[in-house]
Amino acid sequence: AQTVTQSQPEMSVQEAETVTLSCTYDTSESDYYLFWYKQPPSRQMILVIRQEAYKQQNATENRFSVNFQKAAKSFSLKISDSQLGDAAMYFCAYRRGAGGGADGLTFGKGTHLIIQP
Amino acid sequence: DAEITQSPRHKITETGRQVTLACHQTWNHNNMFWYRQDLGHGLRLIHYSYGVQDTNKGEVSDGYSVSRSNTEDLPLTLESAASSQTSVYFCASSESNYPTDTQYFGPGTRLTVL
Repeated sequence: AQTVTQSQPEMSVQEAETVTLSCTYDTSESDYYLFWYKQPPSRQMILVIRQEAYKQQNATENRFSVNFQKAAKSFSLKISDSQLGDAAMYFCAYRRGAGGGADGLTFGKGTHLIIQP
Repeated sequence: DAEITQSPRHKITETGRQVTLACHQTWNHNNMFWYRQDLGHGLRLIHYSYGVQDTNKGEVSDGYSVSRSNTEDLPLTLESAASSQTSVYFCASSESNYPTDTQYFGPGTRLTVL
């Protein structure tokens, strides 16, 4: 079975600086998808970014980018120019590829991101 | 706008009682999911459904059941609530089997079992 590990329970960063959240995963599949979700205090789960394992290019969404290292099974999230609104729990998640669109996601335990003004 | 809703948002019940949490989506999505979120565990999959009359067990399905009689709804039932089922419950949906399909989450239900 696949597992997702987030080794940083909490991270703190100054506003406007850059922070990187770590995620590693374990799977025997070659085709899969990785996600970062944000959960602010409202509890709403918000998709931040998605990476297809077959793509070598790292995904980018505005100030959010990933460093996907397939051989190392590592999938880190970089937030540039941190803003107060970025403060939230961040979850890394995995889903298998072919036929996996109907699968549930496997989540890590989350990283609590604090933004210092 | 299409959306996914959960009710109630908060529920307090007693050990041994039957509890049903509602989930309703208006996107006409085929796939629906139930997760629970506990401190130190992230979100874990309870049950999921690919369509009407289809249901499947997830990682932590013991003590829970679901039924899918229409596309829009997937109620989650706790047959005999236990204190270990105190948690925040999230419903989600996605359109199809295509791997890049996004799962959209409801706002969550906080359940306390006393």
